[in-house]
Amino acid sequence: EVQLVQSGTEVKQPGESLKISCKASGYSFTSYWIAWVRQMPGKGLEWIGTIFPGDSDTKYSPSLQGQVTISADKSINTAYLQWSSLKASDTAIYFCVRHFSGYSISWFPHWGQGSLVSVSS
Amino acid sequence: EIVLTQSPGTLSLSPGERATLSCRASQSVSSNYLAWYQQKPGQAPRLLIYVASSRATGIPDRFSGSGSGTDFTLTISRLEPEDFAVYYCQQSGSSPPTFGQGTKVEIK
Repeated sequence: EVQLVQSGTEVKQPGESLKISCKASGYSFTSYWIAWVRQMPGKGLEWIGTIFPGDSDTKYSPSLQGQVTISADKSINTAYLQWSSLKASDTAIYFCVRHFSGYSISWFPHWGQGSLVSVSS
Repeated sequence: EIVLTQSPGTLSLSPGERATLSCRASQSVSSNYLAWYQQKPGQAPRLLIYVASSRATGIPDRFSGSGSGTDFTLTISRLEPEDFAVYYCQQSGSSPPTFGQGTKVEIK
């Protein structure tokens, strides 16, 4: 069974750094892309970017490129989303999702439980 | 990027009724790579339909998808109490993948 288990709630101040995680199990971690999807409070879903853990090839949303960094550690089957300097507008729930196939663009049959990031002074 | 517009914004129906949700794309979705998700409060979205009309694993057959090109529809043949939720469409025919803004199906 495919499982994506995310790190917990984070409460941060503007300007702080943060790295959240997504631990995968139940499949070959290096064979499927993993993406991150954002849901701001009371809003819809937004694709942030995706990584292929096999070779760390990464693609970002044009609107969010440079704002976040996606990485993966294939030795521990874990993907990451990180910020160097958080803003209040980064407040959201962040989901990691596994692609349906080995292609870099896909629909998402597998979702993590979500990580709430709250940024406030 | 492809913009997906869902309508209506809110659908007020009673259990047992038929729900018809629309998703219109700003340009043709390649290979009809259009998916539908259901999201309930406090939960992650769940994949219902992919490639416009294929049901995901474990999804009841009261959920069906149709359409091609720029116009897609999700139909729930008879609403069950657990179907009241928010529904999103998503295209993966071209990068970046994009989502519609959602349709809320609420109890009338």
